[in-house]
Amino acid sequence: KAGVTQTPRYLIKTRGQQVTLSCSPISGHRSVSWYQQTPGQGLQFLFEYFSETQRNKGNFPGRFSGRQFSNSRSEMNVSTLELGDSALYLCASSLGGLAGSSTDTQYFGPGTRLTVL
Amino acid sequence: KQEVTQIPAALSVPEGENLVLNCSFTDSAIYNLQWFRQDPGKGLTSLLLIQSSQREQTSGRLNASLDKSSGRSTLYIAASQPGDSATYLCAVLDSNYQLIWGAGTKLIIKP
Repeated sequence: KAGVTQTPRYLIKTRGQQVTLSCSPISGHRSVSWYQQTPGQGLQFLFEYFSETQRNKGNFPGRFSGRQFSNSRSEMNVSTLELGDSALYLCASSLGGLAGSSTDTQYFGPGTRLTVL
Repeated sequence: KQEVTQIPAALSVPEGENLVLNCSFTDSAIYNLQWFRQDPGKGLTSLLLIQSSQREQTSGRLNASLDKSSGRSTLYIAASQPGDSATYLCAVLDSNYQLIWGAGTKLIIKP
């Protein structure tokens, strides 16, 4: 079974630009969660999508948004990039999701490393 | 607000030793606690998941315990190997159905 894939793996943007990251979950998984990892703040929850609906959202500004398609693939978008948005962005997929089952294992992709200059 | 702390931040031990990593959390209202490992350039790999009603989980050389009332969890690694070198992260699924993460323990196993 193929794992979670994320594209692109590396991205360099300049301040003020926008960026779209993609995540393809494991086949059959309906939940995709997104996380931001930085040296200063560690891992932080961005949002979770389940069956094309945003089910939960972390404490991030509205510049961070996402969506999920009918095949469960998900994209996240960051608009008006700031230097502080430089981070590793990770997505994870699972069957029932964070709110769906307390026994669900999260499967992570390798991440997209975003650098904002 | 839930906060997760991991001690120590880094640990270096000789191969073959048994070791314990610690994780503490401030709010006992959790659905589960999970341990992950992160290897450089790779994503996270789930190691063990302990539901809030459980006390421990085991997988091979790994054993994780959970004491919800005291807000503590430990990850015990038996007979450590160089391949165990990685950053170990714990996370709790909080009452808002969000995973709240510790900063991790960087583990180095010396051959």
